[in-house]
Amino acid sequence: EVQLVQSGAEVKKPGESLKISCKGSGYSFTSYWIGWVRQMPGKGLEWMGIIYPGDSDTRYSPSFQGQVTISADKSISTAYLQWSSLKASDTAMYYCARQTEADYWGQGTLVTVSS
Amino acid sequence: DIQMTQSPSAMSASVGDRVTITCRASQGISHYLAWFQQKPGKVPKRLIYASSSLQSGVPSRFSGSGSGTEFTLTISSLQPEDFATYYCLQHNSYPPIFGGGTKVEI
Repeated sequence: EVQLVQSGAEVKKPGESLKISCKGSGYSFTSYWIGWVRQMPGKGLEWMGIIYPGDSDTRYSPSFQGQVTISADKSISTAYLQWSSLKASDTAMYYCARQTEADYWGQGTLVTVSS
Repeated sequence: DIQMTQSPSAMSASVGDRVTITCRASQGISHYLAWFQQKPGKVPKRLIYASSSLQSGVPSRFSGSGSGTEFTLTISSLQPEDFATYYCLQHNSYPPIFGGGTKVEI
């Protein structure tokens, strides 16, 4: 069974750094792209970027280029989304999803940034 | 980037109604379109892939059609559990783009 399991909810202050994770199981992790999707409170879905764990080829959507970093550790079948300096506007639910067609989703990680 | 225009943004319907939601792409995307259902506080669930293929386990009252630039999701007979927001997703070219969503209120 394909599963994507994300790390737990986070509460951070503006300016802090953060790295959230998405662990894949039940399939060949290195053979499928993993993407990240943002959903701000009460808003729609936005594709942030995607990584191919097999060779770490990474692509960002224009709105998120330079704002976040996507990485992966294929030895532990885990993809990451990280911020170096959080802003209040980063408060959102973040989902990982497999492939650009988003056939499987993680359960989501709620990130709250507040002073 | 390709733009996806989804309509309507919200609608009110009754149990048993036939509901149609449309997504238009700013350029041709072949059949690389999926439809998702999201209920409040839940993870989006894929209903339709490749424009018209029904995801396993999804009721047959859901169907998708279209190719190129115009796509539709149809719910043939709306059920109370279909209250949700629906999104289309184009994945023909990078970046993938979601439509703005359609909130279906019963």
